Amino acid sequence: GIQVEQSPPDLILQEGANSTLRCNFSDSVNNLQWFHQNPWGQLINLFYIPSGTKQNGRLSATTVATERYSLLNISSSQTTDSGVYFCAVAGGNQGGKLIFGQGTELSVKP
Amino acid sequence: DSGVTQTPKHLITATGQRVTLRCSPRSGDLSVYWYQQSLDQGLQFLIQYYNGEERAKGNILERFSAQQFPDLHSELNLSSLELGDSALYFCASSRGLLPGTRNSPLHFGNGTRLTVT
Repeated sequence: GIQVEQSPPDLILQEGANSTLRCNFSDSVNNLQWFHQNPWGQLINLFYIPSGTKQNGRLSATTVATERYSLLNISSSQTTDSGVYFCAVAGGNQGGKLIFGQGTELSVKP
Repeated sequence: DSGVTQTPKHLITATGQRVTLRCSPRSGDLSVYWYQQSLDQGLQFLIQYYNGEERAKGNILERFSAQQFPDLHSELNLSSLELGDSALYFCASSRGLLPGTRNSPLHFGNGTRLTVT
């Protein structure tokens, strides 16, 4: 099956700093989503982005499908951005099976 | 609020017991997905139901079973529980067969934290 690798595994930032999280995947995908799991355990959908670039406020995501990677950019980070960021993918024959990476744990310090 | 409702929020039970977790999908969503999140395995896909029928299966143990009812709510049954089954169990829902699309991404409930003692 598709393998998903996220880097870095963890990251500590000062408030106001920018960061880029990376997601590499081992096969072609037709579904790629980024999620944020907050410190209370809730999983929030950030982006559906199997290709191209999207922006939502301070967050943006870019997926280069031909090179099998996606990037999540967080600008002007805030303490509320802390938590774990997951990339999840599905390939053409995966149906409803979304495969999650191991996540990047982000801690933003005031 | 994602619109996906899971009950109970917490469950503590003993080894060998059986529990049932419940999920109500977002209004209009026909697919329900179950995921298990544990420290060692991460987020693992268990099973998907679409409009009452099983559509995709992941790493679901034989001791676990699920179903989706005519009103589209779903239940995950875990039996002969072991210590290693302690985890956060998430339910997610989507409008169609796919786990999220451009216009309708995947949305998760708040999870049920199961502790087996």
